[in-house]
Amino acid sequence: GQQVMQIPQYQHVQEGEDFTTYCNSSTTLSNIQWYKQRPGGHPVFLIQLVKSGEVKKQKRLTFQFGEAKKNSSLHITATQTTDVGTYFCAGPKSSNTGKLIFGQGTTLQVKP
Amino acid sequence: DAGVIQSPRHEVTEMGQEVTLRCKLISGHNSLFWYRQTMMRGLELLIYFNNNVPIDDSGMPEDRFSAKMPNASFSTLKIQPSEPRDSAVYFCASTTGQGYTDTQYFGPGTRLTVL
Repeated sequence: GQQVMQIPQYQHVQEGEDFTTYCNSSTTLSNIQWYKQRPGGHPVFLIQLVKSGEVKKQKRLTFQFGEAKKNSSLHITATQTTDVGTYFCAGPKSSNTGKLIFGQGTTLQVKP
Repeated sequence: DAGVIQSPRHEVTEMGQEVTLRCKLISGHNSLFWYRQTMMRGLELLIYFNNNVPIDDSGMPEDRFSAKMPNASFSTLKIQPSEPRDSAVYFCASTTGQGYTDTQYFGPGTRLTVL
């Protein structure tokens, strides 16, 4: 069945270092969504990418959708302690439903 | 506007007891998803509804789990009888039901502990 995989599973960085998480789908996606879950919290929507090769930025966060629409990445420049949490990518199960297939997430720890 | 509301936020119960988790959708949303999150298995979709109708319940673990959506804004997830392996955080999420571009709005979750 359709799968969405993320690497790495965990990442520990020193505050100020950059961080990247990668997301790969077994199938072509109509769009990719990213969510962030703070420790003890719930997933919160960050962004959606729809076009092949699309790049979007939110302050220090850069999101990219691959040309083949099967992979995506999230890059954080100069991490801060507020970036701590688990980052999930998710793609729709099919083009006509709202069901999402979530990756297993990348948990980011930032050492001050 | 209020977000997705879940109750209770924490539930501790003993094995064999019935547990009912509740979820109120965002006003105007018409799709509802129930998830379970554990360290071992991550975020699992249990069931989702569109316009009060269950669309996909393939993630429901077994017959001990049941979910209902008695009206457009409210849903319950029931576990009867509960078992220690049901301990997890249960989230519901709602969307506008527009289709593949929907983004999901998660509730704060219910942390369930079955002793």
